[in-house]
Amino acid sequence: EDQVTQSPEALRLQEGESSSLNCSYTVSGLRGLFWYRQDPGKGPEFLFTLYSAGEEKEKERLKATLTKKESFLHITAPKPEDSATYLCAVQSRGSTLGRLYFGRGTQLTVWP
Amino acid sequence: NAGVTQTPKFRVLKTGQSMTLLCAQDMNHEYMYWYRQDPGMGLRLIHYSVGEGTTAKGEVPDGYNVSRLKKQNFLLGLESAAPSQTSVYFCASSYRETRETQYFGPGTRLLVL
Repeated sequence: EDQVTQSPEALRLQEGESSSLNCSYTVSGLRGLFWYRQDPGKGPEFLFTLYSAGEEKEKERLKATLTKKESFLHITAPKPEDSATYLCAVQSRGSTLGRLYFGRGTQLTVWP
Repeated sequence: NAGVTQTPKFRVLKTGQSMTLLCAQDMNHEYMYWYRQDPGMGLRLIHYSVGEGTTAKGEVPDGYNVSRLKKQNFLLGLESAAPSQTSVYFCASSYRETRETQYFGPGTRLLVL
């Protein structure tokens, strides 16, 4: 069965303190791995899509990487506005059309 | 370009009441999805549609029905609401089903008493 596990569940960082969020997955053939950001009371906002091992994508202070078993979301010199829940989702070759399997998310808090 | 919109934002129902959640997208996407999000769990797929006039069951379809009469709209119905359906409901859409980004609406918070 396809599974997605995110760690840690919660992370508190001081402003400027870099760190990484982990998303490990078990799927029957990866079609794509998606990172979303979710602010309280809002819908998930798309950040990145990664398709194959070794791929990397960057956006401002965020960098997403992908291996055959996991993905990392690296946050460099975070600011308080980066505080949010970060969701990881995978789409597998064996899944219902287009279905995304979501992890439970990592709640990131960045304090000044 | 509003993207994906959902109506209403918040609703309180009594057990046994019915209601319809409306999702609309203006991106001309073929595929639309309904998810629910509960504390401590990832988003779970309820129903989805691969085009106008088509619907299919997702992971947790029991107690819900859907309709896609127009390409831009996807309706989620609860015929007889139960407390277990208290959740936040998100609609999403994508151009195609494979390797395409799903774009989410702002959500509908539903409380069933």
